[in-house]
Amino acid sequence: EAEVAQSPRYKITEKSQAVAFWCDPISGHATLYWYRQILGQGPELLVQFQDESVVDDSQLPKDRFSAERLKGVDSTLKIQPAELGDSAMYLCASTLSRGSGELFFGEGSRLTVL
Amino acid sequence: KQEVTQIPAALSVPEGENLVLNCSFTDSAIYNLQWFRQDPGKGLTSLLLIQSSQREQTSGRLNASLDKSSGRSTLYIAASQPGDSATYLCAVKANTDKLIFGTGTRLQVFP
Repeated sequence: EAEVAQSPRYKITEKSQAVAFWCDPISGHATLYWYRQILGQGPELLVQFQDESVVDDSQLPKDRFSAERLKGVDSTLKIQPAELGDSAMYLCASTLSRGSGELFFGEGSRLTVL
Repeated sequence: KQEVTQIPAALSVPEGENLVLNCSFTDSAIYNLQWFRQDPGKGLTSLLLIQSSQREQTSGRLNASLDKSSGRSTLYIAASQPGDSATYLCAVKANTDKLIFGTGTRLQVFP
């Protein structure tokens, strides 16, 4: 069964270090999302891609976060420098089509900033 | 601005009970509504997707309904089992193509 792949599953880093997360969506899915989920809360959208283009990054803290999807397939989310408040689960999701398409999520990358 | 609320925040029931989880949203202009399950420390598993033109969807012991006009959805779980213990999240897809989540209902089913 096709899955959204994410790595690493767990990342522990110190404040001010750089971290990067990788996501490979289900094959053929043109729309890719990065969500952040703080413990006990629902996920919140950070950035949405349609192919290689950013559709929505209004909630992405652009002073420290960046995201790219250069060839319109896999994607990388980077944080530099990491802050204590960035500790969260970072979830990637993909969907075949915009609008009414069903979203499929990966297992997530758990970040702990010390 | 679309807001999604889930009630109750937590629920503990004995095995075998039928139960209902509630989700409400403030803006009825949605593409669809999706229910997810999340086990501790894991990602989200899609349970049911209801398009805006549909009233309900069923999968096994799960049934989800959608009433767009009142901004409500319910997830019905029949004959609950300990393996159903998890957090259940509902999310609406707004016409901005953004999926907006509630804070979830944490369900515990005890033997």
